[in-house]
Amino acid sequence: GQNIDQPTEMTATEGAIVQINCTYQTSGFNGLFWYQQHAGEAPTFLSYNVLDGLEEKGRFSSFLSRSKGYSYLLLKELQMKDSASYLCAPMDSNYQLIWGAGTKLIIKP
Amino acid sequence: GAVVSQHPSWVICKSGTSVKIECRSLDFQATTMFWYRQFPKQSLMLMATSNEGSKATYEQGVEKDKFLINHASLTLSTLTVTSAHPEDSSFYICSARVPGQDTGELFFGEGSRLTVL
Repeated sequence: GQNIDQPTEMTATEGAIVQINCTYQTSGFNGLFWYQQHAGEAPTFLSYNVLDGLEEKGRFSSFLSRSKGYSYLLLKELQMKDSASYLCAPMDSNYQLIWGAGTKLIIKP
Repeated sequence: GAVVSQHPSWVICKSGTSVKIECRSLDFQATTMFWYRQFPKQSLMLMATSNEGSKATYEQGVEKDKFLINHASLTLSTLTVTSAHPEDSSFYICSARVPGQDTGELFFGEGSRLTVL
């Protein structure tokens, strides 16, 4: 079957760094997305990885290891506005995104 | 980036009535749009794939006669929740991909929160 495993909730301090891990199992693989979703809002795109390695984009970086079925999202210099859910979504062989429940990140002052 | 717009953002209706939600791609043509439903603290659940000019493809367990999807043009798909009941109260979100884009990035509408009394 297809599944996603992410921590349900994480807490971090403003200005700090946090890493959100994701392991996945899919039927085929065509890349992995990270989306941010604020409460009551639709998801917004953060990153896309299809090759192994680290992709850096400003304060956010995303890492992928296809052989391990593993990805992480790294958030630096945390700001209060980063409080949101972070969704790891791999894409299967049919180009369908597989969604988990996401990780709720709580930022404290 | 590409823009997908949904309307209405919020809707409250009485049990037994029907509600229509519109999803528009504003700056690109979308031959395919996706409709999701999300209950509080749960993952996005794909309900159906809307195909321009043809019938929608529904996911297992989603009632075709209850959730009517129409994709009459390359920029508009509509979801009609017929005979809505309180258990249909949820956050409905549409999304689309830009044709020819290398990645499979999904662009989401703002979402529509439906409350059935």
